[in-house]
Amino acid sequence: GAGVSQSPRYKVTKRGQDVALRCDPISGHVSLYWYRQALGQGPEFLTYFNYEAQQDKSGLPNDRFSAERPEGSISTLTIQRTEQRDSAMYRCASSKDMNYGYTFGSGTRLTVV
Amino acid sequence: GENVEQHPSTLSVQEGDSAVIKCTYSDSASNYFPWYKQELGKRPQLIIDIRSNVGEKKDQRIAVTLNKTAKHFSLHITETQPEDSAVYFCAARHNDMRFGAGTRLTVKP
Repeated sequence: GAGVSQSPRYKVTKRGQDVALRCDPISGHVSLYWYRQALGQGPEFLTYFNYEAQQDKSGLPNDRFSAERPEGSISTLTIQRTEQRDSAMYRCASSKDMNYGYTFGSGTRLTVV
Repeated sequence: GENVEQHPSTLSVQEGDSAVIKCTYSDSASNYFPWYKQELGKRPQLIIDIRSNVGEKKDQRIAVTLNKTAKHFSLHITETQPEDSAVYFCAARHNDMRFGAGTRLTVKP
């Protein structure tokens, strides 16, 4: 696609529910990254993929968070048993490869009530 | 892993003045240093970047300098305009990219 597309734009969920956030990167972009951004803060690294391989998941806060990119294109970030502290803007970004800058998506604003 | 520190957290300048934002990084293997501008409610947008084999890069009113020995890099905006008001983030990349906490720049008309 023309840009990085994320869905849904907004998600309100009850505490304890699972959520799945989707990222559709720019077509042909090898690298895909997930970040979490709290209001007034810089993007906080969660995990990234080159093609379908998850290269680094050291930023995932705990084992309730997982991500996949099974065919090397669309990626899903899943949060199980959501907690209020998970509320944030979740941003996806993609790049042609490791040598290029990122293009960010519009993000998914997650609110856990 | 990489740790990026950014200063100042807020910066207010008069229109026409220059603004300088500074960042330091910890991973000497980092080789790519972009700057992003984020306006309220919008996604971060890449405004300029520099690679480790270059000491300075300029694009119109924006310039970035890199000192690999000291592991710091800076963003310089000259002749600031009210539309430059935004939050600016620096970042450093070795494998994944780590961001600074941001600088809220306000340009007063």
